[in-house]
Amino acid sequence: EIVMTQSPATLSVSPGERATLSCRASQSIGNTLAWYQQKPGQAPSLLIYGASTRATGIPARFSGSGSGTEFTLTISSLQSEDFAVYYCQQYNDWPRTFGRGTKVEIK
Amino acid sequence: EVQLVESGGDLVQPGGSLRLSCATSGFTFSDYGMNWVRQAPGEGPEWLSHISSGGSPIYYADSVEGRFTISRDNAKKSVYLQMNSLRAEDTAVYYCVSPLIIATKTVHWGQGTLVTVSS
Repeated sequence: EIVMTQSPATLSVSPGERATLSCRASQSIGNTLAWYQQKPGQAPSLLIYGASTRATGIPARFSGSGSGTEFTLTISSLQSEDFAVYYCQQYNDWPRTFGRGTKVEIK
Repeated sequence: EVQLVESGGDLVQPGGSLRLSCATSGFTFSDYGMNWVRQAPGEGPEWLSHISSGGSPIYYADSVEGRFTISRDNAKKSVYLQMNSLRAEDTAVYYCVSPLIIATKTVHWGQGTLVTVSS
């Protein structure tokens, strides 16, 4: 099974600042990586697929990069609605696996 | 508009069984594989199972292999999860999840259905 490791577990950021979240795969997954955002009481919502392609309706302040085993989600200027938990997920192989998440909180 | 609506969650005793259903609309269901994902309280999502558009192949997470069975009815645009030998650690919100839908360029999740395994 491919293990997805996210860091940091918690990121304290002020509104308007940049946030950089990391995700590492235990083996190469090419670009078969998705990022999800989850707010309390809601299902996760897709932000990025193919490591760098924004899903429908996702603002340009969200960007994804990386390939192979190292991936990054960048939020260029945090808005109040961006404070949430973010998960990465690989879809290169079965079983599909998620990281344990990064909580982005208000500093 | 794509919609996924789960049902069937309930309180069940350890060792019991439950069948979850997911009714879909707004996309060509028979063209896409479908997934079940769960999320235990305070935890991250856990992918459980996938069924291909035609019914096979099927894949399971190790944690549910041999206990859970995924199935689908393309005529009813629905996917199901039969859960047997339930354990306390199966307590979670269960989501029906589409793959990336070409027309909408996103993945769709249902609202979830709560399964509680407790005596």
